[in-house]
Amino acid sequence: DAGVIQSPRHEVTEMGQEVTLRCKPISGHDYLFWYRQTMMRGLELLIYFNNNVPIDDSGMPEDRFSAKMPNASFSTLKIQPSEPRDSAVYFCASSFSGVYGYTFGSGTRLTVV
Amino acid sequence: DQQVKQNSPSLSVQEGRISILNCDYTNSMFDYFLWYKKYPAEGPTFLISISSIKDKNEDGRFTVFLNKSAKHLSLHIVPSQPGDSAVYFCAASSNTNAGKSTFGDGTTLTVKP
Repeated sequence: DAGVIQSPRHEVTEMGQEVTLRCKPISGHDYLFWYRQTMMRGLELLIYFNNNVPIDDSGMPEDRFSAKMPNASFSTLKIQPSEPRDSAVYFCASSFSGVYGYTFGSGTRLTVV
Repeated sequence: DQQVKQNSPSLSVQEGRISILNCDYTNSMFDYFLWYKKYPAEGPTFLISISSIKDKNEDGRFTVFLNKSAKHLSLHIVPSQPGDSAVYFCAASSNTNAGKSTFGDGTTLTVKP
């Protein structure tokens, strides 16, 4: 298995533009998580899905952020419009059953200028 | 309200010695604890875990100890190797909120040759 695959690895965009981050979880995993890592706030959970259904989106900072999981093999995190304070590394992770260890992707480093 | 705390941002040890990374939690509902290791430009990788029914779990050079009464866990690495230099995250989850792990801010371990 290739692991959790995220794209793009790096994204530089101008303030106000729409940004879409993509994630392919490990086949057979039933949980998918989106995390954001910043120096100030560490690793924070944005949203997670169980069997493609959003379970907890309380970590989504505001309405500019949205996430979807149309099927078991694909998820997107969208920011519209983007702002400089959204600059961070965004990680996607997947897990079987949720309680056990997650497998993280390599992350997307987002820079909003 | 930070429910999982790693109070030491950094730790430096000599190769061959023991590394001890500490983690405290406040939520008594947590019943499963995990450690992750993260290298620069990569996502965290699962290292070792422990259930609350145990007080010790060992995997090669890595041992995790859990003290439930003190709400404290620690990761011991013996002997430490330069390749262990990374950021270590402690995480905790509970069956009542299965699937969702809460992460600490991480401790940067440097193992000097």
